[in-house]
Amino acid sequence: EPEVTQTPSHQVTQMGQEVILRCVPISNHLYFYWYRQILGQKVEFLVSFYNNEISEKSEIFDDQFSVERPDGSNFTLKIRSTKLEDSAMYFCASSETNYGYTFGSGTRLTVV
Amino acid sequence: QKEVEQNSGPLSVPEGAIASLNCTYSDRGSQSFFWYRQYSGKSPELIMSIYSNGDKEDGRFTAQLNKASQYVSLLIRDSQPSDSATYLCAVNYGGSQGNLIFGKGTKLSVKP
Repeated sequence: EPEVTQTPSHQVTQMGQEVILRCVPISNHLYFYWYRQILGQKVEFLVSFYNNEISEKSEIFDDQFSVERPDGSNFTLKIRSTKLEDSAMYFCASSETNYGYTFGSGTRLTVV
Repeated sequence: QKEVEQNSGPLSVPEGAIASLNCTYSDRGSQSFFWYRQYSGKSPELIMSIYSNGDKEDGRFTAQLNKASQYVSLLIRDSQPSDSATYLCAVNYGGSQGNLIFGKGTKLSVKP
């Protein structure tokens, strides 16, 4: 069964450093998303991406965050200057239509 | 503020029993509703989607939607220990890109 692949599975970074989280969505999917889940809290929407541009973003997705689809297969989330409160599980998701999408296995980001 | 509320549990049921999970949402404009299962440390996995009032059955799972009461539920028949997980209710509030608002989840424990 096709799956959404995320790398790395765990990333430790120092506060203030830039990180790039990578995702390979399912190949025929058109809609891409990033969500995050702080330990013990809700899954929170960050950003959706369609037709090579951001279609919607949440209040969490401020100027420190950016997304890119650099080569037609990868979908990346960049955090420019990480803060302690960015520590969370980051999930990429993709969908053929805009309903009921498939999540990747996640990247656990730890900012120290 | 659009909210999705769930009883955090834990909900404990004996093996073979019916588990009933409930969710309420705040905005009447909501269009689609999803139940995800999340094992500890893993990503959410889609179990059911429901879009119109009434019941929808898939194997041992039944989703129920009542838009007038802004209420959606999930029944799990013949519960198994492998069903032990956190069940997340997610609601799409009509955004064109399918962005979801998640509840905090109900932890289900099925005792052998």
